Amino acid sequence: EVQLLESGGGLVQPGGSLRLSCAASGFTFRSYAMSWVRQAPGKGLEWVSVISGSGGSTYYADSVKGRFTISRDNSKNTLYLQINSLRAEDTAVYYCAKGTTVTTEGWFDPWGQGSLVTVSS
Amino acid sequence: QSVLTQPPSASGTPGQRVTISCSGSSSNIGSNYVYWYQHLPGTAPKLLIYGNNQRPSGVPARFSGSKSGTSASLAISGLRSEDEADYYCAAWDDSLSGSYVFGTGTKVTVL
Repeated sequence: EVQLLESGGGLVQPGGSLRLSCAASGFTFRSYAMSWVRQAPGKGLEWVSVISGSGGSTYYADSVKGRFTISRDNSKNTLYLQINSLRAEDTAVYYCAKGTTVTTEGWFDPWGQGSLVTVSS
Repeated sequence: QSVLTQPPSASGTPGQRVTISCSGSSSNIGSNYVYWYQHLPGTAPKLLIYGNNQRPSGVPARFSGSKSGTSASLAISGLRSEDEADYYCAAWDDSLSGSYVFGTGTKVTVL
C-alpha cells in the first residue's frame, strides 16, 4: 500500500524558513515524479511544484518561484519542500502527492494527509 | 490564481444527476488531458477521473468525465450523501512551463 506522510509544518514568523518532508513507502520511490499542492484556509487547491523521479527536472508555480525549492532523496524515499521568505499568504495545508510516471506529467495519486504551515507574528 | 473556471456550487437530491463544468483554454484543457479530484475537508484529495474520462479502480461508475474543446465536465449520477464534497478539475498548462493548474473548485451539496 502506498503511503505518504508529511511533516515539518508549524507556526513560523513572516520572513522565516521551513522545510517540509514527505516520507514515502509502498512503491519504488525513484520511479515516480512527486508534487506539492497546497490549500490556504477557505481557498481551493493550488499546485506548488513537481520534481521528476531522478530529481533532474523541477517546476514551480509562479507564485512560489524563487522562494520555494523542491528536492528529493531517493536513498531515503523522502520528498522535501524548502520554503524561504515566508509570507502570510503561504499559510496553508501542504500536501505531497505521487505522480504516475518518472517524468513530470500525468496525474497525482495518492496524496498525503497534509501538513499545516501557519505564517504569523 | 486558477486558470480553470468552475461554478462555485452545485446541488441535487439523492438519486439525481449533477454536472460540474470546467472551462479552460487552448494551452491547458485544449491540448492536454483533464483530471478530476474529490476533496472532503480534513482529508487527502482523491483522484476521480484521469485521461479526460477514465476512472481509477475503486471509483464508482456513477462518476464520469468528458471533454470537448477547451471545456470539460464531471457528472455524478445517482447522487449519494457521501458525494457531498469539493470537486476540482486539473490539467497541465503548456503556456506556464511545466505547470499544473487546478480549477476554482465546486462545492457539491446533497439536499
